[in-house]
Amino acid sequence: EVQLVQSGAEVKKPGESLKISCNGSGYSFSNYWIVWVRQVPGKGLEWVGLINPADSDTRYGPSFQGQVTVSADKSINTAYLQWSSLKASDTAIYYCARRLTAIRGFLDAFDIWGQGTLVTVSS
Amino acid sequence: DIQMTQSPSSLSASVGDRVTITCRASQSISSYSNWYQQKPGKAPKLLIYGASSLQSGVPSRFSGSGSGTDFTLTISSLQPEDCGTYYCQQAHSKPWTFGQGTKVEIK
Repeated sequence: EVQLVQSGAEVKKPGESLKISCNGSGYSFSNYWIVWVRQVPGKGLEWVGLINPADSDTRYGPSFQGQVTVSADKSINTAYLQWSSLKASDTAIYYCARRLTAIRGFLDAFDIWGQGTLVTVSS
Repeated sequence: DIQMTQSPSSLSASVGDRVTITCRASQSISSYSNWYQQKPGKAPKLLIYGASSLQSGVPSRFSGSGSGTDFTLTISSLQPEDCGTYYCQQAHSKPWTFGQGTKVEIK
């Protein structure tokens, strides 16, 4: 079964650091980009960033550039999202997803999603 | 950034009804439009990609259409399990952006 499994919920204080993970199985992990998406509880979806596990090429959404770091370890089929200094406004559910693309046509979508990791930042 | 505007923001319909959700992009995105369904407490699920292609395993009552700036998701015969929030997303250019969501409820 193709799946992405994320690390568990976290409760942190402002200023603390955090690294959450996303482990892929059932497919060739290095062959697909991984994206991260944020959802503030009760709100919509925002694209955070993405990474190519094959060479760690990364891109970030403008609201997240410099605020988070996306990384990957292809040897253990795992992508990461990390913060060096959390803020209360980082409180949200973070999803990883697999990016599915094709050379021809208009296919560029997120077909497999992790279950989400709830990050709560509160003093 | 490309803005994606969905309408309506919510709707209530009866089982068997035909339901239509629209999404308008702030500039042309060709056919790089995707639709996702999200149920409470769950991750989004891909329904439609490339404006009109049905993702594998998704019931055929779901369909998508449109190109350029205007896109539509249609549920031909609403079923109880279709309740949830639906999001459009553009994959034409980064930053990828989503619509604000349409909440679908069963009457």
